[in-house]
Amino acid sequence: AQSVTQLGSHVSVSEGALVLLRCNYSSSVPPYLFWYVQYPNQGLQLLLKYTSAATLVKGINGFEAEFKKSETSFHLTKPSAHMSDAAEYFCAVYNNAGNMLTFGGGTRLMVKP
Amino acid sequence: DAGVTQSPTHLIKTRGQQVTLRCSPKSGHDTVSWYQQALGQGPQFIFQYYEEEERQRGNFPDRFSGHQFPNYSSELNVNALLLGDSALYLCASSHRDVYLRSYEQYFGPGTRLTVT
Repeated sequence: AQSVTQLGSHVSVSEGALVLLRCNYSSSVPPYLFWYVQYPNQGLQLLLKYTSAATLVKGINGFEAEFKKSETSFHLTKPSAHMSDAAEYFCAVYNNAGNMLTFGGGTRLMVKP
Repeated sequence: DAGVTQSPTHLIKTRGQQVTLRCSPKSGHDTVSWYQQALGQGPQFIFQYYEEEERQRGNFPDRFSGHQFPNYSSELNVNALLLGDSALYLCASSHRDVYLRSYEQYFGPGTRLTVT
């Protein structure tokens, strides 16, 4: 079964600094991978997705992620953090056996002024 | 285009009671999945409905049941509520591709259920 692991439950960066949120996956088949963002008291918003096309995926709000098969990673990055990026971020993998998404535990991003 | 909508926004129930949560999918979507998100955790898959039938189910007891209507909207029912059922319940809608996969899922704002 497919799974994802997010390293670091909390990440703190200064405004304007690089954002790097880590996600590693486990899958016996080529994975479909996703990043979602959750603002306080809200649902999940799809940031970007990897579905076996280009390995560098660009999403909304200036975020991007690179699929690295050799490292089984799908890390999320943004060159310059903004205060409005403070939120919880979830990495997810499509589980084709269950036709469902399996989520990581989430990473809370804090942005300091 | 309205996205996924859920009602109610918040709900407070007592142990042993029953609750019904509702979801309307995004226009053009035919599949509804339900997830439970406990505080501080990632969402956990409960079940998925397609063509008015439960197609997939996660590791949840049969106190959790659901329904899908001909207009693709869905309900989640939880019987005999336990304190541990307190969580954010998320509905996600999707459209099955030619291989019947529903990997691109769009989430609603959720219903916050508190069991006292």
